[in-house]
Amino acid sequence: AQSVSQHNHHVILSEAASLELGCNYSYGGTVNLFWYVQYPGQHLQLLLKYFSGDPLVKGIKGFEAEFIKSKFSFNLRKPSVQWSDTAEYFCAVPPGGSYIPTFGRGTSLIVHP
Amino acid sequence: NAGVTQTPKFQVLKTGQSMTLQCAQDMNHNSMYWYRQDPGMGLRLIYYSASEGTTDKGEVPNGYNVSRLNKREFSLRLESAAPSQTSVYFCASRGREGNGYTFGSGTRLTVV
Repeated sequence: AQSVSQHNHHVILSEAASLELGCNYSYGGTVNLFWYVQYPGQHLQLLLKYFSGDPLVKGIKGFEAEFIKSKFSFNLRKPSVQWSDTAEYFCAVPPGGSYIPTFGRGTSLIVHP
Repeated sequence: NAGVTQTPKFQVLKTGQSMTLQCAQDMNHNSMYWYRQDPGMGLRLIYYSASEGTTDKGEVPNGYNVSRLNKREFSLRLESAAPSQTSVYFCASRGREGNGYTFGSGTRLTVV
């Protein structure tokens, strides 16, 4: 069965620090890859997605993610975080042809001003 | 505004009571989903509907039923609420494969 692992459950950073959140998945076939963000008290919003082409994907608010097929990974990065990036981040991977996204358990990011 | 609308936003139930969570999308999406979100557990799929007229169980379907009333609406019913069903419930929809999922604003349910 498809599984998605987010290794960092809680991350605490100071403003201007760099961020990298890990996401690994188990499915070996064609995949679409997503990162979602959930700000406190809000619903999930799409941050960025990959389904073909350049493995380095740029999303909103300065976030980017790199798809490394050989490592089954899709790590999220941001060079310099802001206090407003405090949120929970979810990686999601629906296998190609599937309607069902498998979500990771989420990473809680707290950015101190 | 286009999107996914969930009602109610908050609900408190007594154990054994029933209720229906409503979800509607106006984006002409085929697929719709119900998730529950619990601390440290991420999002777990309860039921989904790949298209109008079809529904299937997800990871945690016990204690729930769903109805895909039409293409727009996908409701979740708790027949006899239990404290273990205290959670935040999110409805989502998706159009074509490869597109992202659009989430509703959630329903915070407490069962006492």
